[in-house]
Amino acid sequence: DGGITQSPKYLFRKEGQNVTLSCEQNLNHDAMYWYRQDPGQGLRLIYYSQIVNDFQKGDIAEGYSVSREKKESFPLTVTSAQKNPTAFYLCASSIDSLGISNEQFFGPGTRLTVL
Amino acid sequence: LAKTTQPISMDSYEGQEVNITCSHNNIATNDYITWYQQFPSQGPRFIIQGYKTKVTNEVASLFIPADRKSSTLSLPRVSLSDTAVYYCLVRPGGSYIPTFGRGTSLIVHP
Repeated sequence: DGGITQSPKYLFRKEGQNVTLSCEQNLNHDAMYWYRQDPGQGLRLIYYSQIVNDFQKGDIAEGYSVSREKKESFPLTVTSAQKNPTAFYLCASSIDSLGISNEQFFGPGTRLTVL
Repeated sequence: LAKTTQPISMDSYEGQEVNITCSHNNIATNDYITWYQQFPSQGPRFIIQGYKTKVTNEVASLFIPADRKSSTLSLPRVSLSDTAVYYCLVRPGGSYIPTFGRGTSLIVHP
């Protein structure tokens, strides 16, 4: 059963703490992405990775960090430097980011709340 | 990066056809246009993708004019379950990364 998973579904953290969101895919996709979505807003790109051991900043990378040590995994760390981290975080993957197709497969999302 | 432009919201009634248009003036020459559907607290789901003219699948049609600077998603005979946000996705010229528009919130009324 192929797909993309995110965990946890809900996450609470105290101000000043770092937290890591998990994203795993078994679709054998090269490219992976992290988006942030605020209430009533569209998706904004945080980071993306076109291949293992490589990643690039998106539009709103400040206060976030990622790693891509394995093809199937692309964890996102929300650091204490992120001033307003409460949001819905979505991970996605695609066959590759250089191909013609824009089809991305999305995970179910993680809702992060900072207390 | 160039952004896509869509209406913020639309209202319709069950059984009607709904057309949502997206403007993408800086689309890359070889880029496809992709539409997604998103329900609250879920990840977006792929609906349809096309390059030019018309594409049809079991849930929607996509119309793309010759200049490809816009596209129209057509949902035939909508039902209440089609209430969702619809996103148009392209990759602006010179970019490897697709850009989501603001999305169109479609509300289908009984």
